[in-house]
Amino acid sequence: GIQVEQSPPDLILQEGANSTLRCNFSDSVNNLQWFHQNPWGQLINLFYIPSGTKQNGRLSATTVATERYSLLYISSSQTTDSGVYFCAVKTGANSKLTFGKGITLSVRP
Amino acid sequence: DAGITQSPRHKVTETGTPVTLRCHQTENHRYMYWYRQDPGHGLRLIHYSYGVKDTDKGEVSDGYSVSRSKTEDFLLTLESATSSQTSVYFCASATSGSLTGELFFGEGSRLTVL
Repeated sequence: GIQVEQSPPDLILQEGANSTLRCNFSDSVNNLQWFHQNPWGQLINLFYIPSGTKQNGRLSATTVATERYSLLYISSSQTTDSGVYFCAVKTGANSKLTFGKGITLSVRP
Repeated sequence: DAGITQSPRHKVTETGTPVTLRCHQTENHRYMYWYRQDPGHGLRLIHYSYGVKDTDKGEVSDGYSVSRSKTEDFLLTLESATSSQTSVYFCASATSGSLTGELFFGEGSRLTVL
């Protein structure tokens, strides 16, 4: 099956810093999503982005499907950005979403 | 976000007892999923449904069964709970299974099997 790799596995930032989270995948995809799992365990949709670029406030994401990667940018990070960021993909006619192992982000005040 | 609710949110049970987790969605989504989340393993698919009474296995389906008698409800049953099924369980739903279909998650159900 498709492999999803996220990097770096862990990231520690000072509040106000910018960061880039990466998701590589091993096959062509027709669906890619980024999720944030907050410290209370909730999984929150950030972006549905099978290709192209989207922005939502301080967060933006870019997926280059032909090169099989997606990037999540966090600017001016805040302590509330802490948590785990997951990338998940679907491929072909498969209706199942495959998740990466996540990137743990800690933003310190 | 989609209106997806899970019940119970927390449950402690003993080995060998049956357990049913319920997922209810109000978005009329066709596709529904059950995942479990464990340290070191991330999110793994247990079972999914692509319509009423249409279900299929995921990657970790052993020891679990599901049922979907109505569009809005997707039940996950552990016939005889084991300690290895201690986990956080997430339900999700999507409008479509393949080409589109943004996935939305419920709040999770924490199950402890003693």
